[in-house]
Amino acid sequence: TQLLEQSPQFLSIQEGENLTVYCNSSSVFSSLQWYRQEPGEGPVLLVTVVTGGEVKKLKRLTFQFGDARKDSSLHITAAQPGDTGLYLCAGYSGGSNYKLTFGKGTLLTVNP
Amino acid sequence: DVKVTQSSRYLVKRTGEKVFLECVQDMDHENMFWYRQDPGLGLRLIYFSYDVKMKEKGDIPEGYSVSREKKERFSLILESASTNQTSMYLCASSFKLGAHNEQFFGPGTRLTVL
Repeated sequence: TQLLEQSPQFLSIQEGENLTVYCNSSSVFSSLQWYRQEPGEGPVLLVTVVTGGEVKKLKRLTFQFGDARKDSSLHITAAQPGDTGLYLCAGYSGGSNYKLTFGKGTLLTVNP
Repeated sequence: DVKVTQSSRYLVKRTGEKVFLECVQDMDHENMFWYRQDPGLGLRLIYFSYDVKMKEKGDIPEGYSVSREKKERFSLILESASTNQTSMYLCASSFKLGAHNEQFFGPGTRLTVL
């Protein structure tokens, strides 16, 4: 069974601070996706990382895929209250397997 | 703009009732999924479908069934609702030939079973 461990589980910071969220597994994934879920809504895809070592930037968010394609990180610079939400990583094994393996998420609160 | 819609945002049912949750997508996606989301347990896959009339069990199918008569619609059925099925239910869809199975989610249905 593939597992994705996310840390920390909860994070509460002040506006303007930087933070990093981690997503780790003992399994290799074909790709890894990051989603953000706001309270009372469904998750929304932020990014997909595919190549080992890949770094993708989305404004103040930087996503990295580990060289061995087993782990990923999300770094937010100068967090804003609008970044508040549940951040989920999801691994895709590829081929005809249609399932994603989801981590349990990091609940981020950015206080004004 | 791509869209996945779910029939209800909030639903309250009684133990033993039959419950239907409907999901519709307008993206012509082949794959559709039903998840439940519970605090501390994350998203858990109940069932998925990769084509019309095709379905496969996910990780927690017990107590649930599904129906996919049309490509755009995927229904989740609770045959006899129980209190431990109180949860947030999320529907998602993706392209069959999509490279990484990126999923598009509906807004969720928060179901309470009394």
